[in-house]
Amino acid sequence: SQELEQSPQSLIVQEGKNLTINCTSSKTLYGLYWYKQKYGEGLIFLMMLQKGGEEKSHEKITAKLDEKKQQSSLHITASQPSHAGIYLCGASRRSNMLTFGGGTRLMVKP
Amino acid sequence: DAGVTQSPTHLIKTRGQQVTLRCSPKSGHDTVSWYQQALGQGPQFIFQYYEEEERQRGNFPDRFSGHQFPNYSSELNVNALLLGDSALYLCASSWRQTAVPMNTEAFFGQGTRLTVV
Repeated sequence: SQELEQSPQSLIVQEGKNLTINCTSSKTLYGLYWYKQKYGEGLIFLMMLQKGGEEKSHEKITAKLDEKKQQSSLHITASQPSHAGIYLCGASRRSNMLTFGGGTRLMVKP
Repeated sequence: DAGVTQSPTHLIKTRGQQVTLRCSPKSGHDTVSWYQQALGQGPQFIFQYYEEEERQRGNFPDRFSGHQFPNYSSELNVNALLLGDSALYLCASSWRQTAVPMNTEAFFGQGTRLTVV
């Protein structure tokens, strides 16, 4: 969706390096969902952010929703090959549906 | 605790045929949403079911229809299949999705890969 832009579109990092994926909305976000997807498989729920400034962590993955609630970032610390996949952000606005970005394809080189 | 389960995992159909995909939500969830994911793109919302009724619909033609059963499981039906319907179909479940906007966690199944030839 052009309403939700993810950057970069793809990323190759060396194992052990940190990385950040951004999700930018053209409209106010009321909720922001982060998912991970292995190629051709289902989406794995990572985190849900609702309040501006909110930050959540799960293992080595941290996500934050900025104060103005139009951008979220996903940060991975000390990346591992198991982190490889497609990261998708989904926005919840004035509806009961999620609008997704195009995804960021992450490859981690051993 | 079983998560969201979808069946079948893969399906090949011929243009013009009809297909039915099935989804069982995560235990304790009562709302089911269906998404279509074309290759290399993010999922797109098809529709959502709650209390056995379609509550919201995305920009998909009437060829796409659904149903929710009393046990909260759901079916997605697609009639008159087109080549462009080839995609990964994902089911997501959540709990009491009556709030606007969404404010509950949504969990996805493994998807059904539909190929139309």
